[in-house]
Parts: sequence; structure tokens; C-alpha cells
Amino acid sequence: GAVVSQHPSRVICKSGTSVKIECRSLDFQATTMFWYRQFPKQSLMLMATSNEGSKATYEQGVEKDKFLINHASLTLSTLTVTSAHPEDSSFYICSARTSGSKTYNEQFFGPGTRLTVL
Amino acid sequence: QKEVEQNSGPLSVPEGAIASLNCTYSDRVSQSFFWYRQYSGKSPELIMSIYSNGDKEDGRFTAQLNKASQYVSLLIRDSQPSDSATYLCAVNQGSNYKLTFGKGTLLTVNP
Repeated sequence: GAVVSQHPSRVICKSGTSVKIECRSLDFQATTMFWYRQFPKQSLMLMATSNEGSKATYEQGVEKDKFLINHASLTLSTLTVTSAHPEDSSFYICSARTSGSKTYNEQFFGPGTRLTVL
Repeated sequence: QKEVEQNSGPLSVPEGAIASLNCTYSDRVSQSFFWYRQYSGKSPELIMSIYSNGDKEDGRFTAQLNKASQYVSLLIRDSQPSDSATYLCAVNQGSNYKLTFGKGTLLTVNP
């Protein structure tokens, strides 16, 4: 159980275009999902917390108008990188939080999306 | 500043040995503690969660938590080359469910 999928796994785009990444919890409902970014040889950096039916909460220094997050249902959150530039190239990973009593607060990660902006 | 500290390694152990990974955290109100394994180029995989002081065992893995010392560790028994990865310690401080990650310890298990 606790499977999270992400699509696409890899995307290459031209500078100035927008890219949409989907994150789905496949076998559980996730009221809270998280979006992370990871640069090579660095640890995970939390970008934002996504709550179903409400606006995302962004971490300090993350531009909310550039990284649009929508959490339209209990199993789907999307991250749109708008007007992408080469410095946005990174490994974007989502996670979903379980809420059962036995797995309280555990986060399960999707496989990640590797974004390359040319 | 809430911090989670890990020895970056690399930690190198022979196959069959016990690998010991350590993590300290700064925020005393931390409630939940997690160990993730991340292979190169892949996303993190949850391997252990622990909430109470003491030991928690799952197969070859044992997590140890000492809240008084603000210390959490992961022991891997009978280490295998497939255990070679970066191990991330993560701590949750409260009701916002956010995790603070350490920078990870790179473990290499030599055949």
C-alpha cells in the first residue's frame, strides 16, 4: 500500500514554456501532499505544502506565482512550473501523507520528475 | 532554526556487518522520526518510522530513539551491497506535518 505516482518521469522543455507535473496517491486518500525539489548531491528542499481544497502554503523563498500548485482532489495534486528557465532544472518530487492511526504522519514519495529546461 | 544533523559519510562497511547511522535534531518538541533510503537518481523510500523512545525493529533494520538526547539512529544488520544508498533522517516537529530532512549519510557496503 501507500503508493504514489508521478507523471511525467522526465521532461525536457524550452526556456519560457510551462510544465505541469501530476502527483497521485493510488491506494489511499491524501489530504496533504508536499512538493520538494532536489538539486544534484543536495538534500530535499520543501517547496510547498498542498492541502486538498485550499491554497498551498509555500516555503520562504519559493515564488508562488512561478510554481502553481493545485490540489483538486484527495488523490491528485499538480505542480505547474510557469515560464521555466534553465535554473529551474531539477528533480521535483512529491509526497503524500497518510493519516491512518498505524501510519500516522508517514510521507510516501512519488518516483520524481526530472525537469531539464534548455 | 530547526536542524537535523547527519554525518555525511561516506560510511563504508563490509558485507554482513552492522551499519550504524546517526542523526541528531535541535527541536525538542519533535514528535515523529523517519528514516528514508535514497538510491542515486531515485526518490526517497520510507524504511522506518519511530515515535516513542526505545527501539523499533523491522527485519534487518532497527531504529532507536532517545528524545532526551535528541538522537535517533538506524542500525542495518547483515548489510548487503544492495543497501548501498544515501540514508535520510527526517523529523516532524508538529501539527503542520512538514518534515525537516538531514543532508543524508552515504552508505557503501563492500562485497
